[in-house]
Amino acid sequence: DAKTTQPPSMDCAEGRAANLPCNHSTISGNEYVYWYRQIHSQGPQYIIHGLKNNETNEMASLIITEDRKSSTLILPHATLRDTAVYYCIVRVATGNQFYFGTGTSLTVIP
Amino acid sequence: ETGVTQSPTHLIKTRGQQVTLRCSSQSGHNTVSWYQQALGQGPQFIFQYYREEENGRGNFPPRFSGLQFPNYSSELNVNALELDDSALYLCASSWPAGTSADTQYFGPGTRLTVL
Repeated sequence: DAKTTQPPSMDCAEGRAANLPCNHSTISGNEYVYWYRQIHSQGPQYIIHGLKNNETNEMASLIITEDRKSSTLILPHATLRDTAVYYCIVRVATGNQFYFGTGTSLTVIP
Repeated sequence: ETGVTQSPTHLIKTRGQQVTLRCSSQSGHNTVSWYQQALGQGPQFIFQYYREEENGRGNFPPRFSGLQFPNYSSELNVNALELDDSALYLCASSWPAGTSADTQYFGPGTRLTVL
């Protein structure tokens, strides 16, 4: 399974855009990129996923590079409630499990 | 639409005992996955159930077992508890892998402490 690399921690000022990077250089053509976040030992919350096109929903935008070896999750206007651990995951389309790494701990600063 | 629920919220057991954790899937979802999350780590896949059959398993010993019921709810059973089994146990429900809507949605978890 493809592995992901994320910075262990990041800070972002409240109201600014938070850009969370993820490297997945060994990703295969049929593997999706998923993002989840986990707030203080609650269950992980689904944010967004994509295959090769950029995606946007009410929570965030996902930018995937053309070679698909990296992606960026963008929270357009970070709030204090966005402080969480963010996990970037690659998953085979027919795979039945997510492989979580250790994620990025995002702290939104007032 | 109801989300994924898990019970109990917290549980304390002693080494060697057995434990059963329960999960009710989100309305309409027929696939349930279980994960173990040790402190400071990301969740680790234990196994998945689809149509009451195990549909994939991670690197966990046989003393971790599960069931899925006709209403798609599920149980995780752990026998002969060890201290290292102390963790947050997460359940996630979804449509079957490979379908267009197979995103997994997680419950709040059960915090198990083994003394």
